[in-house]
Amino acid sequence: AQRVTQPEKLLSVFKGAPVELKCNYSYSGSPELFWYVQYSRQRLQLLLRHISRESIKGFTADLNKGETSFHLKKPFAQEEDSAMYYCALSGNTDKLIFGTGTRLQVFP
Amino acid sequence: DAGITQSPRHKVTETGTPVTLRCHQTENHRYMYWYRQDPGHGLRLIHYSYGVKDTDKGEVSDGYSVSRSKTEDFLLTLESATSSQTSVYFCAISSGGRGSYNEQFFGPGTRLTVL
Repeated sequence: AQRVTQPEKLLSVFKGAPVELKCNYSYSGSPELFWYVQYSRQRLQLLLRHISRESIKGFTADLNKGETSFHLKKPFAQEEDSAMYYCALSGNTDKLIFGTGTRLQVFP
Repeated sequence: DAGITQSPRHKVTETGTPVTLRCHQTENHRYMYWYRQDPGHGLRLIHYSYGVKDTDKGEVSDGYSVSRSKTEDFLLTLESATSSQTSVYFCAISSGGRGSYNEQFFGPGTRLTVL
């Protein structure tokens, strides 16, 4: 079965601190993984996907097939990073499987 | 933002009444999806469509039906609303398919309250 696990419901850090939002997946094939972000009062939007291997807004995520993880990282958090973050998996279907989300709070 | 709108944006209704939510896109994307967003559950797929008149069930389809008579419109109907269907509903679209091509674009959401 395809599954995405985000173990933290809430992650609170101070501005300038490093951030790591955890995502683990369960899928027997070759996964495609995404991070979506939802800022307050805005719609969900794609932050990054693993196949692009790029950094968006200072965030990066590396697919680790051995640990079945796709953690989202940023070395120095900013207040504007405060949002809800969802990890999502696309397998061999036309659907995305989303995790339960992690709310990131960045305090000044 | 991708050309996706949802209507209504907010609705309060009573238990037992029928409710229809509309998703409209101007992107001519093949795939359309309906999700509900609930605290502790994240986003869960209700139904999706892979073409006009082609739909399939998602993870939480009980109590919901959908229709897609035109490429641009995807309707979600609650035949007899219950309090457990109080949620925020999101529509999403995608140009296709599987794997890395399945980038989805989301609408603004509809907040539904069932009293």
